[in-house]
Amino acid sequence: GQNIDQPTEMTATEGAIVQINCTYQTSGFNGLFWYQQHAGEAPTFLSYNVLDGLEEKGRFSSFLSRSKGYSYLLLKELQMKDSASYLCAVRDSNYQLIWGAGTKLIIKP
Amino acid sequence: ETGVTQTPRHLVMGMTNKKSLKCEQHLGHNAMYWYKQSAKKPLELMFVYSLEERVENNSVPSRFSPECPNSSHLFLHLHTLQPEDSALYLCASSQDAGLSGANVLTFGAGSRLTVL
Repeated sequence: GQNIDQPTEMTATEGAIVQINCTYQTSGFNGLFWYQQHAGEAPTFLSYNVLDGLEEKGRFSSFLSRSKGYSYLLLKELQMKDSASYLCAVRDSNYQLIWGAGTKLIIKP
Repeated sequence: ETGVTQTPRHLVMGMTNKKSLKCEQHLGHNAMYWYKQSAKKPLELMFVYSLEERVENNSVPSRFSPECPNSSHLFLHLHTLQPEDSALYLCASSQDAGLSGANVLTFGAGSRLTVL
């Protein structure tokens, strides 16, 4: 079966750096997405990786290794507003999106 | 208004009621989606419409009935639901349903459904 694994919950300190990992086993690969979802709000798009390597976008970066079935989302200079759930999703060979259950990130002062 | 708007934001219904969820997008997108989001579970795709035609139905029970009258509006009609159907129902849209590029989803804030 197809599967996306990410930690259920993580805690980090304001101003620090946190890395949220995502591993996947899917039928083929056509891109990996990260979305951010604040409580009670819509998921919003953060990043898209289709080739190996690091994509940087301000304080957020996303890394992909297709050979390892692995991605991470790196958040730098954490702010209280970064407290949210982070959803990893992979598009498989049929262009279906397979979702992880999300990682709830708690930022403490 | 911009983006994807869902109404109502909260809905409580009995198992014998009939209600509808509404979704509207003002992005000029051609594809619209219904997802179910339950606590600590992955998003479950329910329905996909492309250019107002249903292109995917992921074995959803018939007590959920979608309707897409035009490319900007999507409804989810609910009838004789079960308590386990209580969840957040998310609507999303994308440029197309398709097979190239990032095809990023834009989500609405969801309709929180409680079935008593």
